[in-house]
Amino acid sequence: EVQLVDSGGGLVQPGGSLRLSCAASGFTFSTYWMSWVRQAPGKGLEWVANIKQDGSEKYYVDSVKGRFTISRDNAKNSLYLQMNSLRAEDTAVYYCARDKDFGVFDYWGQGTLVTVSS
Amino acid sequence: DIVMTQSPDSLAVSLGERATITCKSSRSVLYSSNNKSYLTWYQQKPGQPPKLLISWASTRESGVPDRFSGSGSGTDFTLTISSLQAEDVAVYYCQQYYATPRTFGPGTKVDIK
Repeated sequence: EVQLVDSGGGLVQPGGSLRLSCAASGFTFSTYWMSWVRQAPGKGLEWVANIKQDGSEKYYVDSVKGRFTISRDNAKNSLYLQMNSLRAEDTAVYYCARDKDFGVFDYWGQGTLVTVSS
Repeated sequence: DIVMTQSPDSLAVSLGERATITCKSSRSVLYSSNNKSYLTWYQQKPGQPPKLLISWASTRESGVPDRFSGSGSGTDFTLTISSLQAEDVAVYYCQQYYATPRTFGPGTKVDIK
């Protein structure tokens, strides 16, 4: 059974940093692109970043470029999102998602809440 | 960026009746080399992550009831629930994967009338 378990969220002050993790199981992690998608409270979905199977390609939405870094460790079946210089507008539930076909997200983690507030 | 819009914002439909949601993209998401539209539909229930319903505009995922169907091509798409069931109460999102950044529509909330 495919499972994605998100963790690492919490309360952080503006300008602070946080590292999210996603533990994958039940599939061959190293053969899939992976993404992070976020959802602000009561709002819609926003794709944040994705990473190729071997980590050689990474793409970001403009609003997080230069502040967030996506990475993966295929030996540990894990996906990460390092978030620096956090802003109030980054407050959201962050989901990791498996990309099965060029940007089709077929499995999602349960999400981890990041709250940026003083 | 490709902007996705959806209509209506919300709708209430009687049990057993048809629900129709439309999605439009600001430019075509049809890839001419394979004649496929890079458009998905997701269902999200409160407190849950989204669930993939349909990809390639009209290909239903395994296990998704056949009352859900997708249609359209290019810039105009439709998700139809042919006979609304109580468990279909949710927010529905379309998403394009033709270009990066991947972008979602704002969502359509479906309720029971």
